[in-house]
Amino acid sequence: QSALTQPPSASGSPGQSVTISCTGTSSDVGGYNYVSWYQQHPGKAPKIMIHEVTKRPSGVPDRFSGSKSGNTAFLTVSGLQAEDEADYYCSSYGGSNNVIFGGGTKLTVL
Amino acid sequence: ELLLVESGGGLVQPGGSLRISCAVSGFTVSTSYLTWVRQAPGRGLEWVSVIFSGGNTYYADSVKGRFTISRHSSRNILYLEMNSLRPEDTAIYYCARAGDGYTAYDYDYWGQGTLVTVSS
Repeated sequence: QSALTQPPSASGSPGQSVTISCTGTSSDVGGYNYVSWYQQHPGKAPKIMIHEVTKRPSGVPDRFSGSKSGNTAFLTVSGLQAEDEADYYCSSYGGSNNVIFGGGTKLTVL
Repeated sequence: ELLLVESGGGLVQPGGSLRISCAVSGFTVSTSYLTWVRQAPGRGLEWVSVIFSGGNTYYADSVKGRFTISRHSSRNILYLEMNSLRPEDTAIYYCARAGDGYTAYDYDYWGQGTLVTVSS
């Protein structure tokens, strides 16, 4: 299975909102409500920000939200802050007990 | 406190073997869904393998038949045995856990990673 498609980069100014897309197929993103989003700062391990499309783990600011439409999932970061600058990866259950990640999006806070 | 600590990475020649470990504390490997995810230098994340609490194991096509995930319950350690290694297996290998309230495909705690380099 191919990696999910994410834009390589995204940017926004402090206080603005930015949305990152994650496009798959009906066999993964579109077929299951098992999309997650991870934040990764340089040299650090990934951190889960959203799971099962819309669920936000405790401790994750409510500025982060997830949604899905058809074969595309979205991560929206509202009220951008400097510490949100990081790489973001989506993942989806791909059937047959495997997981597919997206290629990653580098979010820059201008 | 939940902790996952990987070890055992290093330099190995193409065609060689290596076993990496993930020592966990704060929970038990035998009752958890645990996974290995890797990241080639400067690249994105790639799911490698998962072991379910019941013991079932699953692999990415890229490593199937070459890698084996296992756990040692009494030592509370997760392993990844890697054989027939290729240069494209070079990556930081992370172990991660799917915690309570998560599916087997969502990972809430991660280790710091161990670097495996496959090169002659």
